[in-house]
Amino acid sequence: SAVISQKPSRDICQRGTSLTIQCQVDSQVTMMFWYRQQPGQSLTLIATANQGSEATYESGFVIDKFPISRPNLTFSTLTVSNMSPEDSSIYLCSVHPLVDTQYFGPGTRLTVL
Amino acid sequence: EDQVTQSPEALRLQEGESSSLNCSYTVSGLRGLFWYRQDPGKGPEFLFTLYSAGEEKEKERLKATLTKKESFLHITAPKPEDSATYLCAVQANAGGTSYGKLTFGQGTILTVHP
Repeated sequence: SAVISQKPSRDICQRGTSLTIQCQVDSQVTMMFWYRQQPGQSLTLIATANQGSEATYESGFVIDKFPISRPNLTFSTLTVSNMSPEDSSIYLCSVHPLVDTQYFGPGTRLTVL
Repeated sequence: EDQVTQSPEALRLQEGESSSLNCSYTVSGLRGLFWYRQDPGKGPEFLFTLYSAGEEKEKERLKATLTKKESFLHITAPKPEDSATYLCAVQANAGGTSYGKLTFGQGTILTVHP
């Protein structure tokens, strides 16, 4: 299995500011994913981040709002830009190291005031 | 568009009372159906992946089964520590940029009382 860590684990931010979330994996993986879990809701994919290429965003998510970096095969960052209270969610990174498994990090709980 | 519907939304059981959770799905071509357990404040914990109708997988008190339209997660003689939200997700048999994407259901909140 893959061990995934995220920083920060939680944060409280003011509207209009930005927060960068880090995701570190203990092994090299080609594909990393960023999901959002809004309060009381299930997980929704924001984007797929492959090393060496631009991230691919799902419908409803744009690069200006959620810029992603993927500098190497074990690390990625997601920035939530110009935050509003509607961005309050848990943000999770995920990796797909093997054909039949996909693992999630512990999540970053974001509250925007 | 891929869709996943889980039922019931919440389930309360007494310890030892077996039951099943349902996951109905529509997908253009199923590559895999995933089951996860999520405890409050934590990320989803991977349980199973199923690929084809008729397939079954077991882990301790949990058994997952798959048909062409739905999956069941059977819980045998549950214990209070089985209390969690159980999530079902599908991965479509699509290439390119959609590879690896999971579409999740809303989850079933399971509470097992001692």
